[in-house]
Amino acid sequence: SQQGEEDPQALSIQEGENATMNCSYKTSINNLQWYRQNSGRGLVHLILIRSNEREKHSGRLRVTLDTSKKSSSLLITASRAADTASYFCATRNTGNQFYFGTGTSLTVIP
Amino acid sequence: DSGVTQTPKHLITATGQRVTLRCSPRSGDLSVYWYQQSLDQGLQFLIQYYNGEERAKGNILERFSAQQFPDLHSELNLSSLELGDSALYFCASSSSGQNYEQYFGPGTRLTVT
Repeated sequence: SQQGEEDPQALSIQEGENATMNCSYKTSINNLQWYRQNSGRGLVHLILIRSNEREKHSGRLRVTLDTSKKSSSLLITASRAADTASYFCATRNTGNQFYFGTGTSLTVIP
Repeated sequence: DSGVTQTPKHLITATGQRVTLRCSPRSGDLSVYWYQQSLDQGLQFLIQYYNGEERAKGNILERFSAQQFPDLHSELNLSSLELGDSALYFCASSSSGQNYEQYFGPGTRLTVT
């Protein structure tokens, strides 16, 4: 499978702490995106990082990309209960096919 | 609200039947994507259309087909349904097939009994 994998599968933290989740993928990519999904609902785009970028910030989010290791990380700082959701990385390969990782389930305890 | 609409919200049908799922993209978006999300397979990319033309194909079964119409709405047809086809089906749209974020609809939950 060319599907990416997120690590950890599940993460539980206290409100105010930082949450880090990692994504590994298998193919050459044009960009990598992170999405959030609240239970049973549609995914919401968080951030996109292009293959020639190494780091990107958006509000409390920080994403890194290491194409040599085919991995990316998403850091959420100062977490809030509303951040409780599943987080997915998504890659688009040179064949225009999209692959979503297996997801990290984040629980932020108030 | 992403601006992407999907109908119906829920669908319960029997094995062997055929169903059609409908998606209206965000205003101005030319690309439509279809995904299947199930517990055991995760989120699987099925197919992408761009301005009426098929752009990319993923893990779409031969029993499934899709099209995008001139008004840019899209339909996903699922035939000869099996129990394993029970899943959430998402449609997403973007303004381009390249490096643009996708906006997801609320999904159609299909239950095959």
